[in-house]
Amino acid sequence: DAKTTQPPSMDCAEGRAANLPCNHSTISGNEYVYWYRQIHSQGPQYIIHGLKNNETNEMASLIITEDRKSSTLILPHATLRDTAVYYCIFNAGGTSYGKLTFGQGTILTVHP
Amino acid sequence: SQTIHQWPATLVQPVGSPLSLECTVEGTSNPNLYWYRQAAGRGLQLLFYSIGIDQISSEVPQNLSASRPQDRQFILSSKKLLLSDSGFYLCAWSEGWKLVEQYFGPGTRLTVT
Repeated sequence: DAKTTQPPSMDCAEGRAANLPCNHSTISGNEYVYWYRQIHSQGPQYIIHGLKNNETNEMASLIITEDRKSSTLILPHATLRDTAVYYCIFNAGGTSYGKLTFGQGTILTVHP
Repeated sequence: SQTIHQWPATLVQPVGSPLSLECTVEGTSNPNLYWYRQAAGRGLQLLFYSIGIDQISSEVPQNLSASRPQDRQFILSSKKLLLSDSGFYLCAWSEGWKLVEQYFGPGTRLTVT
């Protein structure tokens, strides 16, 4: 199984950057790193994905190390609405048919 | 735009009773469809995925089954519920050729008593 390691919980002050780390040392060359988040009692929401290069969209930035064994999701200006469980996942796509294996994730709590 | 619906939103069923959860997607064609379950305090577990009508794969052996009678309809069923079937059931879809993003429905919270 595609396995990632994330800290179980993190805190962040509102307005500050939230940096969520993820280790994926067993990732192979054709596997993408995905980040999703799940706000309490809702379905997960896609945030961002990347393969080798750093990526940025309207929600977040994704920094992937050169050896691709770890990555960091950055929420540049965290708000209270960003309090959620954040999941880091990797998947090869193609014949994997988009099968995503969700681990325990990181509970991010944003404080006023 | 695409939307995904699930119903019912909540369900309380006795042990041994049957189950039918429905998921429909609007605004897209030939989506990949997925059923996940999330037990209390746990991560999501993929149960079934489907790349087309009557093309369903099971990820975890259990007393649940899935069917896809129409292109954008995905049904999760059980003939006899167990206590361990309690959880939050989520349906998701992705574009058939684009596997990057999965879009999740609002979920069904099932309690088996």
